[in-house]
Amino acid sequence: NAGVTQTPKFQVLKTGQSMTLQCAQDMNHEYMSWYRQDPGMGLRLIHYSVGAGITDQGEVPNGYNVSRSTTEDFPLRLLSAAPSQTSVYFCASTLGSGAPYEQYFGPGTRLTVT
Amino acid sequence: GQQVMQIPQYQHVQEGEDFTTYCNSSTTLSNIQWYKQRPGGHPVFLIQLVKSGEVKKQKRLTFQFGEAKKNSSLHITATQTTDVGTYFCAGPKSGAGSYQLTFGKGTKLSVIP
Repeated sequence: NAGVTQTPKFQVLKTGQSMTLQCAQDMNHEYMSWYRQDPGMGLRLIHYSVGAGITDQGEVPNGYNVSRSTTEDFPLRLLSAAPSQTSVYFCASTLGSGAPYEQYFGPGTRLTVT
Repeated sequence: GQQVMQIPQYQHVQEGEDFTTYCNSSTTLSNIQWYKQRPGGHPVFLIQLVKSGEVKKQKRLTFQFGEAKKNSSLHITATQTTDVGTYFCAGPKSGAGSYQLTFGKGTKLSVIP
């Protein structure tokens, strides 16, 4: 199993550009989520999905959209990039039933918005 | 809203010294998880604690969950350079499913050889 994969690893955008961060998992996990990590801020939940076709907002959803058309994929879309969205983005998945509820993280995408 | 606080934010230790990080939640938690993130890497799950007063050990790491299920600690005995990284605790968001986690801001551990 590849686990959780994310592309791209690095990205530089100009203010106002849009892009999609890709996330895929091959563990048949029901639950997937997107976090952003900023220095000294820990991990903050952007959006999450409890299964295909079901998504919801997390703590910091503004400026981001998600969709979940399949169990495997959970892309994150930046609609109009802003410098405040410069961050490291992590996608994570968890089985979604039973314990432990450990989350498996992808390697991250380092995004810079100029 | 729910807050998960960790102290200290940074810790520098000499190799061989012990290290402890503390995690406090503003609400009672159904469980608490600990993750480790190496520099430049991604968070990796270490352990989950579920029961009040639970203590679990992984080699030199000891994890505790408080009796009131609002605090937790991670203690590393005789630190090694391989312990370098940031340690995060995380608890399920109040009123939500167990999969929505609120993370602490982490404790960054540096080990001086």
